[in-house]
Amino acid sequence: RKEVEQDPGPFNVPEGATVAFNCTYSNSASQSFFWYRQDCRKEPKLLMSVYSSGNEDGRFTAQLNRASQYISLLIRDSKLSDSATYLCVVNPTSGTYKYIFGTGTRLKVLA
Amino acid sequence: DTEVTQTPKHLVMGMTNKKSLKCEQHMGHRAMYWYKQKAKKPPELMFVYSYEKLSINESVPSRFSPECPNSSLLNLHLHALQPEDSALYLCASSGGTDTQYFGPGTRLTVL
Repeated sequence: RKEVEQDPGPFNVPEGATVAFNCTYSNSASQSFFWYRQDCRKEPKLLMSVYSSGNEDGRFTAQLNRASQYISLLIRDSKLSDSATYLCVVNPTSGTYKYIFGTGTRLKVLA
Repeated sequence: DTEVTQTPKHLVMGMTNKKSLKCEQHMGHRAMYWYKQKAKKPPELMFVYSYEKLSINESVPSRFSPECPNSSLLNLHLHALQPEDSALYLCASSGGTDTQYFGPGTRLTVL
């Protein structure tokens, strides 16, 4: 089993749709969780850190489910500009600098 | 300011050349990273420096040589590369084992 797993997609959704991605992780002791967005030929940019209580930033909501070992990202009212690859990143152990990346989920928002 | 800068943006080199990639951050971050990213794949960790000391080397071939002259700078020296080393090279920094911030990357082509 991979340490961090994501559905690669692509997810093709119409503008205005709500879309959700999940990311599972294998190490139950994992400490830190992040969603990054990466546009084609650009660097990953932090979208959200994911906290135990869940967090929301505008149209984006991230949740952590420690019992089932997954994190989720919900995008409401999708915009064309949301089209990108969404990377799930996990820091599996406190005090380590070895972040584990999922393979990324491609999202295409269609007009 | 959460900026990580990298130079050059693009680099084309022959297999016998020696070149260097540069990375700089002024966020006071204590950890700096080099990643390699191939198309449609997630970033792959190469090296981590913590407090200017090499703390992780992911079994990277010796034709890649990292250097951390001070807490703000990170270099990657390249020598005798192979065409398969062509990729996007990303630098990142973090204050601890929390959020990583990525530079825009250097797109490297080895002929």
